[in-house]
Amino acid sequence: QVQLQESGPGLVKTSETLSLTCTVSGGSISRSTYYWGWIRQPPGKGLEWIGSIYYSGNTYYNPSLKSRVTILVDTSKNQFSLNLSSVTAADTAVYYCARVEVFYYASGRSHYMDFWGKGTTVTVS
Amino acid sequence: SYELIQPPSVSVSPGQTATISCSGDNLKNKYASWYQQRPGQSPVLVIFQDTKRPSGIPERFSGSNSGNTATLTISGTQTVDEADYYCQAWDMIAVLFGGGTKLTVL
Repeated sequence: QVQLQESGPGLVKTSETLSLTCTVSGGSISRSTYYWGWIRQPPGKGLEWIGSIYYSGNTYYNPSLKSRVTILVDTSKNQFSLNLSSVTAADTAVYYCARVEVFYYASGRSHYMDFWGKGTTVTVS
Repeated sequence: SYELIQPPSVSVSPGQTATISCSGDNLKNKYASWYQQRPGQSPVLVIFQDTKRPSGIPERFSGSNSGNTATLTISGTQTVDEADYYCQAWDMIAVLFGGGTKLTVL
């Protein structure tokens, strides 16, 4: 079954750019039925969706973070990445990557995350 | 902007039925998903498309969605079910999560 693994620095300085990579194994990132997403969770708080990307490069971003977020995909490495610029202490969180299943129906679509990475803690200081 | 509202906490005795609600405007027109998150662990999908269970999720987990409310029901709740639960839906161009509900089994 598919597995996802986040990697990147655990400490980022205020005002700099947070960069994380998610490596996918057990399945191709280019499979057409899936998006690939980033979700974060500040200490003691709930889940916040950051954004999702399709293997073609099509993206959806959380409107509240859109001005600072870039998500890219590298199909040759079966990886996708997150860049979050101008970070502050409020960006301190556990960052998860996940596979996003997309279901299309008559009047819309449904996105849900069926496989998650273990998460990586990023502290901004 | 669209919001999903969950009660902060729900308590249930072992063996009883736990219900966790998720409210949003005309939520019945969207598909709801539910995630279980035990302390220190990644979220796990327990319900998708309102009522479907992924492989490996016990039958005691079920879901429904009607009107403005989606509901996660855990029948015969066990102590291992103590966790945070999050509802989630897709709205126009974004994934939305509810604020989460802490389920206590005591």
